[in-house]
Amino acid sequence: GENVEQHPSTLSVQEGDSAVIKCTYSDSASNYFPWYKQELGKRPQLIIDIRSNVGEKKDQRIAVTLNKTAKHFSLHITETQPEDSAVYFCAARTNFGNEKLTFGTGTRLTIIP
Amino acid sequence: NAGVTQTPKFRILKIGQSMTLQCTQDMNHNYMYWYRQDPGMGLKLIYYSVGAGITDKGEVPNGYNVSRSTTEDFPLRLELAAPSQTSVYFCASSPGLADYEQYFGPGTRLTVT
Repeated sequence: GENVEQHPSTLSVQEGDSAVIKCTYSDSASNYFPWYKQELGKRPQLIIDIRSNVGEKKDQRIAVTLNKTAKHFSLHITETQPEDSAVYFCAARTNFGNEKLTFGTGTRLTIIP
Repeated sequence: NAGVTQTPKFRILKIGQSMTLQCTQDMNHNYMYWYRQDPGMGLKLIYYSVGAGITDKGEVPNGYNVSRSTTEDFPLRLELAAPSQTSVYFCASSPGLADYEQYFGPGTRLTVT
């Protein structure tokens, strides 16, 4: 089955700086890569996703890049703000119609004011 | 739309007791999922369903059972609760059919003592 590894497990950045979180996946058939944000005590919520036919996607301060050859994808947050502090999860979906996501272990991002 | 709702929000069980965690979605989604999230960890898939009457095991199904008699409801049954089942349980749903975003419920925090 699919295996997703996520690094780093914790990340602290100064407010206004950029943050980068990286994930690798094992199944070359995976075709969908979402990123979820989970604030303390809340449910995970989708913030951005990318499909395997696209190399990069951007939404305001958030971007995701995908390297299919190397089987890794990354989340980039620019001009970080205190409300970006949360746990971020990457995930991957394999292309065999079972609609399952395999999640990474999460990155706790802390924005230092 | 209320989205995905879960009851109860919190529950304390004694070892050996049983209970059902309720999950309902009003978005007419075909796919539904149950995850558990242990402290500081990622999301592990327990069971999932691709439609009414169809369920399948995820990564960590032991000690749990599910049913899917309607599109809206996907209850999770814990039989003979054990301390290892102390966790936060999230239900999620997804439209499927190339729309892969999963929408999460607010979670149920379960403690087994």
